[in-house]
Amino acid sequence: DTEVTQTPKHLVMGMTNKKSLKCEQHMGHRAMYWYKQKAKKPPELMFVYSYEKLSINESVPSRFSPECPNSSLLNLHLHALQPEDSALYLCASSQVRDRATGELFFGEGSRLTVL
Amino acid sequence: GENVEQHPSTLSVQEGDSAVIKCTYSDSASNYFPWYKQELGKGPQLIIDIRSNVGEKKDQRIAVTLNKTAKHFSLHITETQPEDSAVYFCAAVSPTSYDKVIFGPGTSLSVIP
Repeated sequence: DTEVTQTPKHLVMGMTNKKSLKCEQHMGHRAMYWYKQKAKKPPELMFVYSYEKLSINESVPSRFSPECPNSSLLNLHLHALQPEDSALYLCASSQVRDRATGELFFGEGSRLTVL
Repeated sequence: GENVEQHPSTLSVQEGDSAVIKCTYSDSASNYFPWYKQELGKGPQLIIDIRSNVGEKKDQRIAVTLNKTAKHFSLHITETQPEDSAVYFCAAVSPTSYDKVIFGPGTSLSVIP
């Protein structure tokens, strides 16, 4: 069983809706990630938080807004999305020693459909 | 930046046979190479990894090899079982950017009973 929990598992939204994806981990990891995965493609990095601070934004459109309220929680706020944003959104976490270790623990993802 | 290539994109093997997936990377500074398995409807799961100070690592039926000179690394699965059917992603990580795990395009492995 994964120790990274994502909710909701499925989300359908219209282009004018505002919704949020949530991620939680209790492994004490201090790096948390959002990835986007399209069908038959590898995960594509969107954002990285390290010690609750945004450390990487891979030039993601502003209609995606990440938030890290504490060391266990990661949110992704969605607003005015486009149909091409439909994808599986994966949350991951990793330990941080001197740097993040690169060993990612993924959740099962939130499958988003934008109508 | 780092670029990871992976071959083959699809692989079918008979149950009990071996499967080999090969990857190449471009950044000679990369020193950590994890392999992830993604089953249908699930998130990727780390199954084995290797660091650049090691040439080979084994864990039961799976093994990884690394050739730093050629910038190649491979995953070997022996005695394949139907539950090995999944998409496998290799990845490379540079010590200057441990926050960025660069994935290969993936290999869809089917094990035929």
